[in-house]
Amino acid sequence: NAGVMQNPRHLVRRRGQEARLRCSPMKGHSHVYWYRQLPEEGLKFMVYLQKENIIDESGMPKERFSAEFPKEGPSILRIQQVVRGDSAAYFCASSRSANQPQHFGDGTRLSIL
Amino acid sequence: RKEVEQDPGPFNVPEGATVAFNCTYSNSASQSFFWYRQDCRKEPKLLMSVYSSGNEDGRFTAQLNRASQYISLLIRDSKLSDSATYLCVVNLEAGKFQFGAGTQVVVTP
Repeated sequence: NAGVMQNPRHLVRRRGQEARLRCSPMKGHSHVYWYRQLPEEGLKFMVYLQKENIIDESGMPKERFSAEFPKEGPSILRIQQVVRGDSAAYFCASSRSANQPQHFGDGTRLSIL
Repeated sequence: RKEVEQDPGPFNVPEGATVAFNCTYSNSASQSFFWYRQDCRKEPKLLMSVYSSGNEDGRFTAQLNRASQYISLLIRDSKLSDSATYLCVVNLEAGKFQFGAGTQVVVTP
């Protein structure tokens, strides 16, 4: 069984460009969560999605950030017009139901030049 | 007050010793609890779930005290490979999970 798959593992962007981070949940999992982690800090919740629906986006910055989980294909976290402060590790997790434990992908390390 | 609080440590533990640490939570309606471990710059990995009073898995024991609103993790016979940051996670409601900032454990030879 494949685990949660995230790609790319590393992403380098220049200020002002767009970053797209992908996450394919584990087989049988329909709940997806995105987290951001800065160096030496804890995980910060960003958004919780189910297929075609955003359930909770209370942790998402109001501007430049968006997320989707289409009927077909992976969940996408999109960051427009990136700035240096967006440099972080972005982790995706999935679960079978809303109360089941989450399983994490390897993360995407985003670096902004 | 933070919703989930953990002692950041580090807890320096001699190899073979026992270490225990707690995690307190503020929401008495919290439904379930989990311990994860995270190695430096890697993804969190589920260690164990705690649904009722406690759970045991090999050298690891988790206990839940609902009256005092904390969960604990005890590691017996510590191995060097147990060195990591241990994250406490509280399921507040369906789809809503609160992560603690983590407790660092360093097992020394």
